Amino acid sequence: DTGVSQDPRHKITKRGQNVTFRCDPISEHNRLYWYRQTLGQGPEFLTYFQNEAQLEKSRLLSDRFSAERPKGSFSTLEIQRTEQGDSAMYLCASSYEGWVGQPQHFGDGTRLSIL
Amino acid sequence: QQQVKQSPQSLIVQKGGISIINCAYENTAFDYFPWYQQFPGKGPALLIAIRPDVSEKKEGRFTISFNKSAKQFSLHIMDSQPGDSATYFCAASRRGGADGLTFGKGTHLIIQP
Repeated sequence: DTGVSQDPRHKITKRGQNVTFRCDPISEHNRLYWYRQTLGQGPEFLTYFQNEAQLEKSRLLSDRFSAERPKGSFSTLEIQRTEQGDSAMYLCASSYEGWVGQPQHFGDGTRLSIL
Repeated sequence: QQQVKQSPQSLIVQKGGISIINCAYENTAFDYFPWYQQFPGKGPALLIAIRPDVSEKKEGRFTISFNKSAKQFSLHIMDSQPGDSATYFCAASRRGGADGLTFGKGTHLIIQP
């Protein structure tokens, strides 16, 4: 399978702990996006990278959240001092800058549950 | 402020019928409008997308209609099938889709056999 891969698929942790998620984009894609989706809602944009540069951050991305894409390939999203409100599905998407319409292709997400 | 409003929240259609989902946007800087389909436990999958320079785009049973002056766009699913039962999201973005997507709240579609 050559789609967007996310790991882990599920994460259960206690409030106050730190968690880190990984996203591997489609290999030729140079843009990578992170979204958060809560139950019954549409995905909400968090941040995106072009190659290794983080170009935009949403107001939803509090200072407890940090994302990296060190070599312009895979990306990690870390949440420090998790809170109950962080429980959600975290989705990663990727796209290729040169395509007309630049469609974003999503992975199946990491579901985070905070106890 | 919700920048993309989607309706209805849920929709039940008989097999073979036409499913219609509507969206309205506020930000005139949006220039890329995709529709995504999502099944439980899966990520959204791109169905079809449109740019504002065309009023309609058709791919198989799926058609997007776009009204730039009204800032509205809609998805029509022709000959709806039980396998189409899913949640559908409209979205919008600037810079041809390069920016992050702003999604509607979704429509839960059920196709009855």
